Amino acid sequence: KQEVTQIPAALSVPEGENLVLNCSFTDSAIYNLQWFRQDPGKGLTSLLLIQSSQREQTSGRLNASLDKSSGRSTLYIAASQPGDSATYLCAVRPGNQFYFGTGTSLTVIP
Amino acid sequence: ETGVTQTPRHLVMGMTNKKSLKCEQHLGHNAMYWYKQSAKKPLELMFVYSLEERVENNSVPSRFSPECPNSSHLFLHLHTLQPEDSALYLCASSTRQGRQPQHFGDGTRLSIL
Repeated sequence: KQEVTQIPAALSVPEGENLVLNCSFTDSAIYNLQWFRQDPGKGLTSLLLIQSSQREQTSGRLNASLDKSSGRSTLYIAASQPGDSATYLCAVRPGNQFYFGTGTSLTVIP
Repeated sequence: ETGVTQTPRHLVMGMTNKKSLKCEQHLGHNAMYWYKQSAKKPLELMFVYSLEERVENNSVPSRFSPECPNSSHLFLHLHTLQPEDSALYLCASSTRQGRQPQHFGDGTRLSIL
């Protein structure tokens, strides 16, 4: 069974700092990997989707990479802002199933 | 974005009650999902509907009964729930082919007394 791990579980950084969130998965047979953001009491907002044939995707200050063979993905956030404070989750899709990590709780201190 | 709408946002019910959660999507997707999110645990996929047919049922107790009358609507019927069923229940939708992202609703916060 696919297992998804996110490290660290929590992260606190000063505003303006660049940071990296990590996601690892045990089975490389995936269609794609998706990064989400979740604010307290809210659903998940899709940030980036990387297909299995791709190496990275970028959206504004966010850059996600995928190394399928090693079972790893990173989410890079440049010039962090207090509004980036949220829980970040990654999910992999092998078929109809989606497997999620437990997330990284990010706090950006003004 | 109001692509996926869930109602109610909050629900408190006793263990003997019967209630239903509703999900509606306006994105033209043909696959819909129910997830359970409990504190400190990964999202658990409960059910997947593709073209209105249930294609995944991850050993969910029978006290949870999904219904997908059409590709835009998804229900989760609840009865005789247990305290450990208290959680955030999230609905999502996507294209069946899976090359597009999943879109989530804001969830229903369910509390069982």
